[in-house]
Amino acid sequence: DAGVTQSPTHLIKTRGQQVTLRCSPKSGHDTVSWYQQALGQGPQFIFQYYEEEERQRGNFPDRFSGHQFPNYSSELNVNALLLGDSALYLCASSWGDLSYEQYFGPGTRLTVT
Amino acid sequence: QKEVEQDPGPLSVPEGAIVSLNCTYSNSAFQYFMWYRQYSRKGPELLMYTYSSGNKEDGRFTAQVDKSSKYISLFIRDSQPSDSATYLCASGGLYSSASKIIFGSGTRLSIRP
Repeated sequence: DAGVTQSPTHLIKTRGQQVTLRCSPKSGHDTVSWYQQALGQGPQFIFQYYEEEERQRGNFPDRFSGHQFPNYSSELNVNALLLGDSALYLCASSWGDLSYEQYFGPGTRLTVT
Repeated sequence: QKEVEQDPGPLSVPEGAIVSLNCTYSNSAFQYFMWYRQYSRKGPELLMYTYSSGNKEDGRFTAQVDKSSKYISLFIRDSQPSDSATYLCASGGLYSSASKIIFGSGTRLSIRP
C-alpha cells in the first residue's frame, strides 16, 4: 500500500519565481492538506482540499494556491516567491472529514535564493 | 499565546529510560490530540491519537490527556536509540472542515546508547 508521495524532493528557486509542488494521497484517502514547516518549527496549516475544492485555509497570503484533481492528487502553487518561503512543504492525506488520522508525505524542501 | 505550546528541548536521556514529553493547549474546543514522530529531513509519522481525556497505550508508547489542565503527555518506556527524533504534539476538533489542526513546535529527543 503506497503511502503519501510528494515531488520533487528538493527544489531551488529564485526570489520572484513561481513553483508547483505535487502530492499523491495514500490509497483510499480523499482529503489532502498542505503544511509549511520552517526549520525548528512545527507544521503550519496552509489549506485543505476535498472534492476538488478548498475547504479550509490557514493564515497564508493569496500567493499560495492549490488544486485537487479527480484522482485526489493535489498541487500547491506559490507565486512571487520570497526568501521567507524557504521551508519544508508537507502534504498530508486523510479520509473524509476526520482530522485526527492524517498521514504525511516526505515533504518537498524548497530553497529560495 | 500559541494555541499549542511545546518545550523545544533538546532532551537527552540514556537508553532504557522512561521519557516524558509534554504539551499544553489553550483552545477548549480541541477534542483530538495527536503525537507525531519526525526524523531529520523526513515527514512526520503519526504515532497515536487520543480522544478527549484519558490514556491510550500502544506498545512502549502511552499518550495521556488531561482536559481540566489542558495538558498532553507522551511517555516512552524502555527508550531506544532509534527513538531519537523530534516529537510533535497536535490538537484539533473532530472534523477537519470545522477546525484546523494545530501543531506544537516539537521537542528534539536524543537517546544515548
